[in-house]
Amino acid sequence: KNEVEQSPQNLTAQEGEFITINCSYSVGISALHWLQQHPGGGIVSLFMLSSGKKKHGRLIATINIQEKHSSLHITASHPRDSAVYICAVPTGNQFYFGTGTSLTVIP
Amino acid sequence: KAGVTQTPRYLIKTRGQQVTLSCSPISGHRSVSWYQQTPGQGLQFLFEYFSETQRNKGNFPGRFSGRQFSNSRSEMNVSTLELGDSALYLCASSLGVVPNEQFFGPGTRLTVL
Repeated sequence: KNEVEQSPQNLTAQEGEFITINCSYSVGISALHWLQQHPGGGIVSLFMLSSGKKKHGRLIATINIQEKHSSLHITASHPRDSAVYICAVPTGNQFYFGTGTSLTVIP
Repeated sequence: KAGVTQTPRYLIKTRGQQVTLSCSPISGHRSVSWYQQTPGQGLQFLFEYFSETQRNKGNFPGRFSGRQFSNSRSEMNVSTLELGDSALYLCASSLGVVPNEQFFGPGTRLTVL
């Protein structure tokens, strides 16, 4: 049983398209993290959110605590957005991670 | 501020050997967490240290251990290496303990032959 489920696993989009990545979790949490991992391994924390919505540039993250669901949206996608996006759920004293969504944006 | 640094970046070992990986957190960060990433299992939590104390440990065998020094630098050790230990090992630091925002290092790519 996975505490965190992400969808889709793989996503290919044309430059400029609106993208949505979904994350559902089964454990009680106080916050959820969205991470971005580029080829080569480096991970960057994009958002930490516990309610509502956060926006950073073309990235928007939303969370519904009651429904245990979060979405990451990318507006006007660009090839440099190509990466793996991972949602991470802290519970207790550790993190559980989704399997990641591999996004490829084609020029 | 310098980011999280990990050394070495790449490592090749043979089965049965042991390995020590090092992580230097962002200055002022007292929490260091370690993660293993493999293509099959994805990211998995290994352990977290805060002020030289291990706060929690993931579901890994006792061959995986770690420690944190008074300057917050951390090391993890894997003894009696197995082929399945080949992975990217990432450390992340944060000001406070989980669930604070974490800042990840570039990782150490370990290959066990």
